[in-house]
Amino acid sequence: EVQLVESGGGLVQPGGSLRLSCVASGFTFSNYWMSWVRQAPGKGPEWVANIQQHASEIYYLDSVKGRFTISRDNAKSSLFLQMNSLRVEDTAVYYCARDKLAGATKFDSWGQGILVTVSS
Amino acid sequence: DIQMTQSPSSLSASVGDRVTITCRASQSVDTYLNWYQQKPGKAPKLLIYGASNLQSGVPSRFSGRGSGTDFTLTISSLQPEDFAVYYCQESYKAPLTFGGGTKVEIK
Repeated sequence: EVQLVESGGGLVQPGGSLRLSCVASGFTFSNYWMSWVRQAPGKGPEWVANIQQHASEIYYLDSVKGRFTISRDNAKSSLFLQMNSLRVEDTAVYYCARDKLAGATKFDSWGQGILVTVSS
Repeated sequence: DIQMTQSPSSLSASVGDRVTITCRASQSVDTYLNWYQQKPGKAPKLLIYGASNLQSGVPSRFSGRGSGTDFTLTISSLQPEDFAVYYCQESYKAPLTFGGGTKVEIK
């Protein structure tokens, strides 16, 4: 069974930093692109970033470029999101999602989500 | 960026009803279109990928059609467990945008 478990969320002041982690199991992590998707309270999902199997391609939502960094450790089946210069509007539940093997993205497995609250 | 517009934003229906949700892209996305279902407090669940391909384990009452800019998700006979919010999402190019959602409520 595919499992994705996020950790590292919490309350942080504007301008602060957090590092989210996602540990994967039940599939060969290194075979898949992976994504972070967030959902602000009462809003729809918003894709944040994704990373190719060996990190040779990385893409970001414009509003997080230069502030967030996605990375992965295939030996530990782990995905990370380093979030710096956090803003109030970054407040959301952040999901780790399995992306594609190849071809077009489809988020076919999701973690339970982790809440990030940016507030003074 | 590609904008995804869903309609209606909400609908009321009864068990057994046929329900159709529409998603329109601001430019052609070919058939790079996915549909998700989300229930309160849960992560979204993939229903349809590539516009018309049923994800493994998803009941056959769900179906998707369309290409280019216009897409539909149809539930052929609404079941009690189908009351949820449904989102379309384009996978044509980054940023991978979602529609605003359609809430399916009990009439």
